[in-house]
Order: sequence, then structure tokens, then C-alpha cells
Amino acid sequence: DAGVIQSPRHEVTEMGQEVTLRCKPISGHDYLFWYRQTMMRGLELLIYFNNNVPIDDSGMPEDRFSAKMPNASFSTLKIQPSEPRDSAVYFCASSLGTGDPSRGYTFGSGTRLTVV
Amino acid sequence: GENVEQHPSTLSVQEGDSAVIKCTYSDSASNYFPWYKQELGKRPQLIIDIRSNVGEKKDQRIAVTLNKTAKHFSLHITETQPEDSAVYFCAPVKAAGNKLTFGGGTRVLVKP
Repeated sequence: DAGVIQSPRHEVTEMGQEVTLRCKPISGHDYLFWYRQTMMRGLELLIYFNNNVPIDDSGMPEDRFSAKMPNASFSTLKIQPSEPRDSAVYFCASSLGTGDPSRGYTFGSGTRLTVV
Repeated sequence: GENVEQHPSTLSVQEGDSAVIKCTYSDSASNYFPWYKQELGKRPQLIIDIRSNVGEKKDQRIAVTLNKTAKHFSLHITETQPEDSAVYFCAPVKAAGNKLTFGGGTRVLVKP
């Protein structure tokens, strides 16, 4: 298995532009999570899905952020319009909701977003 | 929601010495306790975990101990090596597959 795949790895965009981050979870995993990591706020959960359904979006900072999971193998996180304070590393992770928890959560390589 | 705190926030040790990081959580329903290691510019990776029915687990130079009564668990690294330098996160969970709530992280520096 190739693991959790995120694209792009790096994104530089101008303030006000729309940004779309993509994630392909591990096949068979039924939970998908979006995290944001900054020096100031650490690793914070933005939203997570179970069987493609959003379960908890309380971490989404504001209406400029939206996330979708149209099928079990794909999710997007969109920021529109982007602002410099959105600059961060965004991680996607997936996990298996049942079975042995020691299999652990698996993170993607992350997308480093810079908004100028 | 879960309140998770890690101590210390930074830890500098001499190569060969031991390092201990403590994680305190608030939700007594938490039953799965992983530790993640994140090297600079890389993703967090699971290094060890423990379930609530076990008090201690060891894997070579790393171990995790759990005190459910006091609601804390600790990461122990023995015979530290330069490659142990990284940021370590605890993330207690209520059920398999449920969301992780990360502690603030502990930056460990192993000096050769």
C-alpha cells in the first residue's frame, strides 16, 4: 500500500486565491482526518469523516474553510479566499475504525501552504 | 473536550542518557494512548502505544507507562541516540478510529 497520499506537497498562492488540498486515504480505512500544524497552535484537528460522512467539523476555523469526501478514496480541503494566516502544514490521516487500534493512524506527507 | 498537556516542552539530554516525557489528559473515557515522533519536515509517525488494560509496554529502547487513575502516561527513551532528536507528541483517544487530540509536543535534543 502506498499509504496516505496528499497533493500538492507544496503550494504557494496569493492572498485571496482559492486553494484546494487533496487526500487519498489508505484503501479500506473508514476514518479520514484533516489536521493543521503551525508553530503557534501545534497540531489541531480541523474535521474528520467516517464512511465519507463529516462527523466533527468544530475545528474548522471559519467559513472560508470547507472539506468534502465524495467517495471512500478521495477528500478535499478548500480555502476560499486564502489569507496569510492560513499558512501552515496541512496533514491528512486515515485510520481503521474497527480492529486492532495498535495498527495506528497513518498520516500523509502533508501539504505546506504558503499564502503571500 | 479532551485537555492534553505534555511536559516538558523541551528536553536536552546527553547521548546515552534517558529521556522521559509525561502526558496528562482530562477525559477518563480515554482508552488508547499513542506516542508519535515527528522529525523536522516530516509527518508524525506512531512509535509506541498502549491500551487501557495494560500498565506498561516496551519496544527495544522505548517504553510507555500508563496510570489511568491519575490520568497520565509517559514515554521513556533509554540509551538515547542522536537520531532520537525530534518532536514527540502524545494523543490520547477514546475509541479506535476516533479523533486524536494532540498534546503541545516535546522537542527532544540528544547531544552527542
